[in-house]
Amino acid sequence: GPKVLQIPSHQIIDMGQMVTLNCDPVSNHLYFYWYKQILGQQMEFLVNFYNGKVMEKSKLFKDQFSVERPDGSYFTLKIQPTALEDSAVYFCASSLLTGNYAEQFFGPGTRLTVL
Amino acid sequence: QQQVRQSPQSLTVWEGETAILNCSYEDSTFDYFPWYRLFPGESPALLIAIRPVSNKKEDGRFTIFFNKREKKLSLHITDSQPGDSATYFCAAVGSALGRLHFGAGTQLIVIP
Repeated sequence: GPKVLQIPSHQIIDMGQMVTLNCDPVSNHLYFYWYKQILGQQMEFLVNFYNGKVMEKSKLFKDQFSVERPDGSYFTLKIQPTALEDSAVYFCASSLLTGNYAEQFFGPGTRLTVL
Repeated sequence: QQQVRQSPQSLTVWEGETAILNCSYEDSTFDYFPWYRLFPGESPALLIAIRPVSNKKEDGRFTIFFNKREKKLSLHITDSQPGDSATYFCAAVGSALGRLHFGAGTQLIVIP
């Protein structure tokens, strides 16, 4: 089936540094999402993005977070500066349509460790 | 507040048995419930989903039973196979923008 890729698979950085997580969504998809999963907990919605704009974000999407998809390339999540509590697995997803019944296709996640 | 809860956290069954994974939710406006399956090292993938207009959805060995009044649903995996060993996530959607609310997952182990 359609594949979403995430780069890198693992990232270790020092607290206070900037990190960019990259997502290569399904090629004809228009809607993009980030979810965060802290070890042992559920995946939680961060943000969704369409047509160059954030459509909805959760309380977890702090001011230090930003998303963009420049020129239809990677969909990125940038954290600047990072904090210890940002350590988690970040899943990217994409969908062709939006709405309750639109299937979201997920990537394998990027495991971020902030030291 | 956790919107979607799953139990058990971990489940072990023998090959051929039926595995039952439980899910409950808080928000009565949720109107779509997909189940995702995650194999280690891979991506979560949609397995089966149900809308509240139905109380049952079947796809091969996988069946969702839905109780709208009690805000509960369950995933039944009949004739469980070792290849079914994975983590299963119940999710719910109530937003027109497709925001998924996930449970914490049930890790299923099927012993040959």
